[in-house]
Amino acid sequence: DTEVTQTPKHLVMGMTNKKSLKCEQHMGHRAMYWYKQKAKKPPELMFVYSYEKLSINESVPSRFSPECPNSSLLNLHLHALQPEDSALYLCASSQVGTDQETQYFGPGTRLLVL
Amino acid sequence: GENVEQHPSTLSVQEGDSAVIKCTYSDSASNYFPWYKQELGKRPQLIIDIRSNVGEKKDQRIAVTLNKTAKHFSLHITETQPEDSAVYFCAASDGNKLVFGAGTILRVKS
Repeated sequence: DTEVTQTPKHLVMGMTNKKSLKCEQHMGHRAMYWYKQKAKKPPELMFVYSYEKLSINESVPSRFSPECPNSSLLNLHLHALQPEDSALYLCASSQVGTDQETQYFGPGTRLLVL
Repeated sequence: GENVEQHPSTLSVQEGDSAVIKCTYSDSASNYFPWYKQELGKRPQLIIDIRSNVGEKKDQRIAVTLNKTAKHFSLHITETQPEDSAVYFCAASDGNKLVFGAGTILRVKS
């Protein structure tokens, strides 16, 4: 399996809702990433997990809460989001270590906050 | 931190012509430079990458060149086809995280 999968594909939520985005990979990668991508912009890094531990948090607001339950799964819990949080949320994974950092992206979850 | 600049922001070429996209980076510690293609509504897909110990890499119609002294790298697409139309992102990494350029919208006119 050489793919990163993400669910759901689309999500509409109100500002008081709680929802979760899910990401899964079975490539044996030990680094997983969350990115946010606005239209016509590059992906912006949010979080990095390495060996299931949070290694980078790019000063993301606490209404976004990542979780890595095991080496294949990555979740992003959403609570009290704002309309400006509407975007495509991309998950990626890679090996860990020198010369192994090629990142493979999932198809993304398109989030609309009303 | 790392800063990556990408030019041009849009590029229109005739089918069969070549396309060149250029990026510069700021952090001399960066040692990995991938290029991603993103079609409308799709995920970014890695098309080619280069590491700092190599000056050039080629894969069929796609090539990437790297000048570490000048801190710039370029994507070359030859014999462009309509299916090459997409947004292309360059990126640089020091092994910890990728920093992306702003992207280039490539339109191949048939």
